[in-house]
Amino acid sequence: DGGITQSPKYLFRKEGQNVTLSCEQNLNHDAMYWYRQDPGQGLRLIYYSQIVNDFQKGDIAEGYSVSREKKESFPLTVTSAQKNPTAFYLCASSNPGTLSYEQYFGPGTRLTVT
Amino acid sequence: DAKTTQPPSMDCAEGRAANLPCNHSTISGNEYVYWYRQIHSQGPQYIIHGLKNNETNEMASLIITEDRKSSTLILPHATLRDTAVYYCIVRPAKAAGNKLTFGGGTRVLVKP
Repeated sequence: DGGITQSPKYLFRKEGQNVTLSCEQNLNHDAMYWYRQDPGQGLRLIYYSQIVNDFQKGDIAEGYSVSREKKESFPLTVTSAQKNPTAFYLCASSNPGTLSYEQYFGPGTRLTVT
Repeated sequence: DAKTTQPPSMDCAEGRAANLPCNHSTISGNEYVYWYRQIHSQGPQYIIHGLKNNETNEMASLIITEDRKSSTLILPHATLRDTAVYYCIVRPAKAAGNKLTFGGGTRVLVKP
């Protein structure tokens, strides 16, 4: 089945540690995105990438880093500089070549930092 | 991107139509209306989108007013599985980076 995989579903870390969240897609989409969602809130864009080896900051990029070495993979690192890292993280992908420009989302990773 | 306004919550009876309103009075001529929904603790799911004509697919119908300042998402026969937060998003078809800006959405509770 085609789709987006995020792992793990739940992740626990101690404060001060960097942590990397995985996102893989087999939809052959060019563009990939990372969003953060806090309880009761909408999604906020962290980083996005329109093509391999290129990415741009979203609205809340501070304390996060990404890489896009392969078309199918877009890992997100939550660094110790992120002041409030506990959140629900969602990865998405899209194919800008299609008419609808809809985004497909993964199941999310719930990160808890204590 | 144009700002959207949605009611924070609404209830709907199972089997009845659910009509979800969205105001986007500052929408520009090249901006589309998109609807996504998010079931609890899952990733958002695309529902439908439109520019100015009414649209229908297997999930829902989208009614856009003639002046395009508001729209309504219609779930024709709501089921308990339709309980979710529904997001109305307005953006150009070719927005830089194809970004989506999610607001607070409408929390829809379908009751038996």
